[in-house]
Amino acid sequence: AQKVTQAQTEISVVEKEDVTLDCVYETRDTTYYLFWYKQPPSGELVFLIRRNSFDEQNEISGRYSWNFQKSTSSFNFTITASQVVDSAVYFCALSDGTDKLIFGTGTRLQVFP
Amino acid sequence: GVSQSPSNKVTEKGKDVELRCDPISEHNRLYWYRQTLGQGPEFLTYFQNEAQLEKSRLLSDRFSAERPKGSFSTLEIQRTEQGDSAMYLCASIHRGSGNTIYFGEGSWLTVV
Repeated sequence: AQKVTQAQTEISVVEKEDVTLDCVYETRDTTYYLFWYKQPPSGELVFLIRRNSFDEQNEISGRYSWNFQKSTSSFNFTITASQVVDSAVYFCALSDGTDKLIFGTGTRLQVFP
Repeated sequence: GVSQSPSNKVTEKGKDVELRCDPISEHNRLYWYRQTLGQGPEFLTYFQNEAQLEKSRLLSDRFSAERPKGSFSTLEIQRTEQGDSAMYLCASIHRGSGNTIYFGEGSWLTVV
């Protein structure tokens, strides 16, 4: 069965601190996709990244970076120099390629000025 | 983007409600998810054009979804129960092109 675990329920940081959100997944599929979404108070899920199981290269996009390690089944997300606007709930999700997403329980990030 | 209506709905237990989703134009796949407080979204059902291809066990007989003509979709909940209180999210994707799944802002349903 597929499963996504986000052990950190809530994280609080002060602006400009770096923060890492953990994601551990379980799947028996050899081909799968991993995602991160941001959910601000408005409720809409904002797509951040999609990564397939064959691409373990880390990715950086501005202040965001992602570390994918198949050996530990982890897909962690780091925000560098956090800002108040980064405050939201972040979800990690897994798909077997059918586009049906299995979400974790989310990590609420609060960035204080 | 993906539009959902109503954004908020308060209904009395036992009443029927209908939620609507307008996907991004030309997106051929449409998904419904349900999200309760403190949890991640859970898959309910999805459509490929007008065909409903899969339904989750979470979707009881009181729930029915349609996507006539492969455009907008409706999710109807009959005889609502307090346990149906949740945010219902719709998502769409153009299968075969980019594969980015876009979500709407959701419809908050409160059953009192």
